[in-house]
Amino acid sequence: DSGVTQTPKHLITATGQRVTLRCSPRSGDLSVYWYQQSLDQGLQFLIQYYNGEERAKGNILERFSAQQFPDLHSELNLSSLELGDSALYFCASSGGRGRDTEAFFGQGTRLTVV
Amino acid sequence: AQTVTQSQPEMSVQEAETVTLSCTYDTSESNYYLFWYKQPPSRQMILVIRQEAYKQQNATENRFSVNFQKAAKSFSLKISDSQLGDTAMYFCALRMLSSYDKVIFGPGTSLSVIP
Repeated sequence: DSGVTQTPKHLITATGQRVTLRCSPRSGDLSVYWYQQSLDQGLQFLIQYYNGEERAKGNILERFSAQQFPDLHSELNLSSLELGDSALYFCASSGGRGRDTEAFFGQGTRLTVV
Repeated sequence: AQTVTQSQPEMSVQEAETVTLSCTYDTSESNYYLFWYKQPPSRQMILVIRQEAYKQQNATENRFSVNFQKAAKSFSLKISDSQLGDTAMYFCALRMLSSYDKVIFGPGTSLSVIP
């Protein structure tokens, strides 16, 4: 168990809808990263937050947004969903410089858009 | 821009043999970490090994070791005495410790261990 919790584990929704994915980082971790992994693809970096502030942005669509709350949990909002948004969405956390070197991953949320 | 490249989409190895997975990266930063993650069919991301860029000594974790060539920006993973449980996707990753602290991944290498 990595200590990173993602909910829900599975999500099936229709095109055009909006969903929210939730991530609780390891206790004390300040950094949260979101990744998208399409079928048989690598991990595409979406966005990173550090202690509530957006720190880095990757190839995140304008239809997607994220935030990190004061209790450090994070949410990824996906709107106007398309079939191509079907993927495994990972959240990872780390303690930041000086504490941990690697990112610890949650189990992922599998999103299916029908 | 920072990039991570894995030039071997698929590899296979006989059980008990040794295999090396390649990774090259590009960054202008001097302070960074490199990782190999394993993703078995369960899709869980599991850290295999880490390397700090400022350390010249290559990291080793049991049957896993790396060949870190900083000047060449190369970071290969060697798996010795391959086991069936090593069958997985392997991702090379780069974490930069600048103000933006980004972690980016290569496209992955699918490794199959053959009995």
